[in-house]
Amino acid sequence: QVLLQESGPGLVKPSQTLSLTCTVSGGSVSSGSYYWSWIRQPAGKGLEWIGRLYSSGIPSYNPSLKSRVTISADTSKNQISLNLRSVTAADTAVYYCTRDNVYYDANGPSLAFEIWGQGTVVTVSS
Amino acid sequence: QSVLTQPPSVSGAPGLRVTISCSGTSSNIGAGSDVHWYQHLPGTAPKLLIYANNNRPSGVPDRFSGSKSGTSASLAITGLQPEDEAYYYCQSHDNSLSGVVFGGGTKVTVL
Repeated sequence: QVLLQESGPGLVKPSQTLSLTCTVSGGSVSSGSYYWSWIRQPAGKGLEWIGRLYSSGIPSYNPSLKSRVTISADTSKNQISLNLRSVTAADTAVYYCTRDNVYYDANGPSLAFEIWGQGTVVTVSS
Repeated sequence: QSVLTQPPSVSGAPGLRVTISCSGTSSNIGAGSDVHWYQHLPGTAPKLLIYANNNRPSGVPDRFSGSKSGTSASLAITGLQPEDEAYYYCQSHDNSLSGVVFGGGTKVTVL
């Protein structure tokens, strides 16, 4: 059974960098069959995709966050990391990491968020 | 404001059927992008409920079904049960925005 666990500071000051880690157990981040994403949910609001790391190591980011985001993998620790720079109160949210699976149908391949972590709360405040 | 539009809430009595709509545009659902659905109970990890429009992952009851037509998709829950009370989100890919988009979420209440 694959489990994802997010971790990191629960409080970050404005203008600083939010750094989170997703530790994967029961599977490998190096697996070429899956991709890895970060998603967030501000209190009382819907889900927002932050970005994805493909098995090639190439990332894809939400255009609205692209200038501030870096997603990377540490294969030695079996972890996926998220760095979000120059944070403001608008970045306060529950942050989730996910394992993404490719599904095929008549339209071709599509990616869905197959497995989710429990999420970690991050508050941006001085 | 979410790219995909869902009703904020739906409700139904136990045993009945409810449907949740997910309205998109010609740059996402209408462009042929698949729709996936997630169930989320606050404080827990969201769960993939339907993938690629109408497919259930292993372990998801067949009370849940999905469909897609034109620029919209729907999730149906038949034989509504108390444990179905949760938030439900649709998700797709948007070609114009070059990324993943979600609906705003629908809260299902079992009366």
